[in-house]
Amino acid sequence: DGGITQSPKYLFRKEGQNVTLSCEQNLNHDAMYWYRQDPGQGLRLIYYSQIVNDFQKGDIAEGYSVSREKKESFPLTVTSAQKNPTAFYLCASSVPSGGGTDTQYFGPGTRLTVL
Amino acid sequence: AQTVTQSQPEMSVQEAETVTLSCTYDTSENNYYLFWYKQPPSRQMILVIRQEAYKQQNATENRFSVNFQKAAKSFSLKISDSQLGDTAMYFCAFIDYGQNFVFGPGTRLSVLP
Repeated sequence: DGGITQSPKYLFRKEGQNVTLSCEQNLNHDAMYWYRQDPGQGLRLIYYSQIVNDFQKGDIAEGYSVSREKKESFPLTVTSAQKNPTAFYLCASSVPSGGGTDTQYFGPGTRLTVL
Repeated sequence: AQTVTQSQPEMSVQEAETVTLSCTYDTSENNYYLFWYKQPPSRQMILVIRQEAYKQQNATENRFSVNFQKAAKSFSLKISDSQLGDTAMYFCAFIDYGQNFVFGPGTRLSVLP
């Protein structure tokens, strides 16, 4: 089955620790994205990548880092510099079309809780 | 900066009836895409419907249709014959060719038996 997988589903972190969230897709999509969702709110873009070895900051990139070494994978690291990391994190991918991007398909999400 | 507004934080509808969710957006761009996504309690984001701004014809997907008014920057979602499984958060989203991605704050829809 083609799709986007995120792991783990739930993640707990102590303050001061870095943690990496996994996102893998087998849809052969070029573009991948990371969003943060806080309770009762919409999605905010953290980082996105249109091609391998290239990525751009979104609206709330501070305290986060990413890499895109393979087309299928776009891991997100939440660093200790992120002051309020407890949130639900969603990964998405899409096939860029024409002059922009097309429909984004989402993974099931990772719930990160800082203890 | 582009913004997306959903003025109805919560709505409810009786099963089998029709409901319309509102969305307005602000942009100076002429070419862009608009989407409605559904997020049920499982929190999986599911695409409901998609509209290209250059198309005048309103998109439809089975029981779901949109009323796209480009000049008014309005993009409402109509759900016909509402079903219990339609209960979810609904997000309106905007993406333009300049890679600006914006989601609205969401509307919580409850379908009542």
